[in-house]
Parts: sequence; structure tokens; C-alpha cells
Amino acid sequence: GNSVTQMEGPVTLSEEAFLTINCTYTATGYPSLFWYVQYPGEGLQLLLKATKADDKGSNKGFEATYRKETTSFHLEKGSVQVSDSAVYFCALRLMNRDDKIIFGKGTRLHILP
Amino acid sequence: DAGVTQSPTHLIKTRGQQVTLRCSPKSGHDTVSWYQQALGQGPQFIFQYYEEEERQRGNFPDRFSGHQFPNYSSELNVNALLLGDSALYLCASSPAGGTTDTQYFGPGTRLTVL
Repeated sequence: GNSVTQMEGPVTLSEEAFLTINCTYTATGYPSLFWYVQYPGEGLQLLLKATKADDKGSNKGFEATYRKETTSFHLEKGSVQVSDSAVYFCALRLMNRDDKIIFGKGTRLHILP
Repeated sequence: DAGVTQSPTHLIKTRGQQVTLRCSPKSGHDTVSWYQQALGQGPQFIFQYYEEEERQRGNFPDRFSGHQFPNYSSELNVNALLLGDSALYLCASSPAGGTTDTQYFGPGTRLTVL
């Protein structure tokens, strides 16, 4: 079936550290891939997306590259800030009439000042 | 623009009861999706409403039902509540002609079943 697997948290880093959150997927067909972020007390926000192989999504200093050969979409940021503390969800949507999004379990990120 | 709003914020019910959650989509949006997010898990798709009809449904029992009104707002109803229904229920809306790429999520309703 279609699924998303992401690294378990929590991930704790110091401010200005380099961040990687791993995400791999299983899908029939050719999915669009997303990273969503959930700040404390707030709803899910789309952070970035990529719709085809080798696309790079980027936003707010975060980047992720759609790697079809390794079925991965790892999230990276060169220098994290305390304000990046949140839960991050990797997700996919199949490029057919199916309109739902399939989410991973989420990775909680703590950034220490 | 108020964005996607949901009510109530928190709710406590007992097993066997029924509950109704409400969602108002972002202005200009006509499609509403509902998700269940259990503690420590990612959101799971329940169903989607468009033009007052259920367009798609995830793997949830018939105890979960919904409705969409002419003003595009939506309700999620859960009957015969179980302890396992305790979760954050998220509503998401998307614009006319849009796809889930452009879904906007509300802050959610936290349901606790005792």
C-alpha cells in the first residue's frame, strides 16, 4: 500500500546546528511529496512540496529533494533557530483522482538556545 | 481573512455518546476534508466534502459521518463514541478547482472520550 516512513523523534539540536529529518515513501504511481509543520497550538502548515523526481522544494531555509531512485524526501536546514521547534510531517499525494494526503507519524524537533 | 476555523476547541465525552464538530473553511474555498490525528501519530484522512456531497472516504466506520452546508461549512459527526476515538480532529479546506496541494488546515478540535 501507499505509506510514508519518517525518522522517530524527538530530535534535539542546538541553535545554528544542521538539521536532517529522513523520510522515505512507498507509493503506486507517481506521488507529489510534502513537508508539513505543526507549531504548538496551531494547525498544520504546508512547508514545502515537490511534484516530480529531482524537484527541490524550499521555504524558510528548509529544503527537500524528491529522490525517485531512493524513494526519499529528506528535510534539511543549514542553521536551525529556536523558532523552528515544532512537529514536522512528511506526506504524499498520489497523482490521480484520489484527493487525500497520506502522512507520516511526525518528528518532533526541539531547538535549544 | 479568518482562515479555517473549528469549534469547539476542546470537548470531553463519555463512551457511547455522540459528538458533532464544526468547521468553517477559508474564504473562497468550497472543499472540506476531515482528518483524525491520534496522539503521536500523523493525520489520517476521514472523508472529503464537495458540493454538499461526500466525495471520498478513508478507512473509517460508518459511525463517522459528515455534512456540508450551502455556505461550504461542514460538520463531522461521530456516533457511539469509543475510547479510541480520542484524538485531534483537523479540518482542511481547499479552493474551488484546487487540489490538496493547496489545503489549509484549521487548529483542530481535541476530543477526549472517557
